[in-house]
Amino acid sequence: GNSVTQMEGPVTLSEEAFLTINCTYTATGYPSLFWYVQYPGEGLQLLLKATKADDKGSNKGFEATYRKETTSFHLEKGSVQVSDSAVYFCALSATGANSKLTFGKGITLSVRP
Amino acid sequence: SAVISQKPSRDICQRGTSLTIQCQVDSQVTMMFWYRQQPGQSLTLIATANQGSEATYESGFVIDKFPISRPNLTFSTLTVSNMSPEDSSIYLCSVERTGSYEQYFGPGTRLTVT
Repeated sequence: GNSVTQMEGPVTLSEEAFLTINCTYTATGYPSLFWYVQYPGEGLQLLLKATKADDKGSNKGFEATYRKETTSFHLEKGSVQVSDSAVYFCALSATGANSKLTFGKGITLSVRP
Repeated sequence: SAVISQKPSRDICQRGTSLTIQCQVDSQVTMMFWYRQQPGQSLTLIATANQGSEATYESGFVIDKFPISRPNLTFSTLTVSNMSPEDSSIYLCSVERTGSYEQYFGPGTRLTVT
């Protein structure tokens, strides 16, 4: 079946540090890939997406590239801020539009001033 | 994006009772999804609700426990029946903007069963 594996957390960084959160997936065919973020006390928000191999999704300074050869979709940000403290979920949609999402376990990021 | 509201936002219920959660969307959508997020865990899909047909349930979830209604293209309900403490979770609905590959989530309903 489909699955998403995220690196173990939590992660604590100092402000302006470089961030990488690893995500790998298992799926048949050509899934779409997503990063969702859940800020403290808020709902789940779509952060970025990529729908085909070599696509790069980006938003709010975050980037992730769809790597089919390594089945990965790692999230990166060059300089994190305290306001980036949140839980980050990697997810895939295996059959395109109108398809369910399979989520990774999520990772908590804390950024200290 | 889509604006999604859920009612109630939270509730504390007694074992053996049932709770119906409502999900309202500001635009017409084909598919709505219901997820569960147990404490400290990731999200797990309960079922997919298509207007005009029976909901499709994921492995481990059954209609008798989680009946779903989808009376129109902007509204759905999920009922958690005969609740036990193990049902304590956040329940979220989501929709996909047609053709966008993007799913948008409601704010969730935090359920505590005592």
